[in-house]
Amino acid sequence: AQSVTQPDIHITVSEGASLELRCNYSYGATPYLFWYVQSPGQGLQLLLKYFSGDTLVQGIKGFEAEFKRSQSSFNLRKPSVHWSDAAEYFCAVGAGGGGNKLTFGTGTQLKVEL
Amino acid sequence: GAGVSQTPSNKVTEKGKYVELRCDPISGHTALYWYRQSLGQGPEFLIYFQGTGAADDSGLPNDRFFAVRPEGSVSTLKIQRTERGDSAVYLCASSKGPLNSYNEQFFGPGTRLTVL
Repeated sequence: AQSVTQPDIHITVSEGASLELRCNYSYGATPYLFWYVQSPGQGLQLLLKYFSGDTLVQGIKGFEAEFKRSQSSFNLRKPSVHWSDAAEYFCAVGAGGGGNKLTFGTGTQLKVEL
Repeated sequence: GAGVSQTPSNKVTEKGKYVELRCDPISGHTALYWYRQSLGQGPEFLIYFQGTGAADDSGLPNDRFFAVRPEGSVSTLKIQRTERGDSAVYLCASSKGPLNSYNEQFFGPGTRLTVL
């Protein structure tokens, strides 16, 4: 069964600082990987996705993520954080070999200090 | 264009009552998913429809939960004899096709269900 671990429950960064949110997954075959962001009272917005091909993927709002098969990781990065990036971030894995559900991590709450 | 919509946005009910939650997917999306998000957790899969049929209902927690999509568009999640443990945000998502055809899922704003 597929699973996702987001080891950091809370992260605080200063505005303008760089950001890296960690995500590790467990899945036997090539996974489909996603990062979603959820602001208070809002639904989940897709930041970026990996299905195949280039392992460094670019997303919206200046975010990027890198798929590292050897480390079973898909960490999210941003070079300079803005106060509006404060939200909860979820990593998710989908089964590439069949089945269509997403399995989510427990999320990382990002706080941005001005 | 219009995104996924869900009604009601909030639902408060009493233990033992029956509730229905509605999801309107993005027009033309054939795949529809229901997830449940408890406080402090990530969303958990409940059921997946491809067209009118439930292709995967392995996430439904018990037989009090049922979902339909009779015309391949709008879906209704039905919960019988609600329990306090059913309190959560119920999220609906839709996609152009199945995930294993490289289709991402778009989420609605959710319905917050509170069972008193």
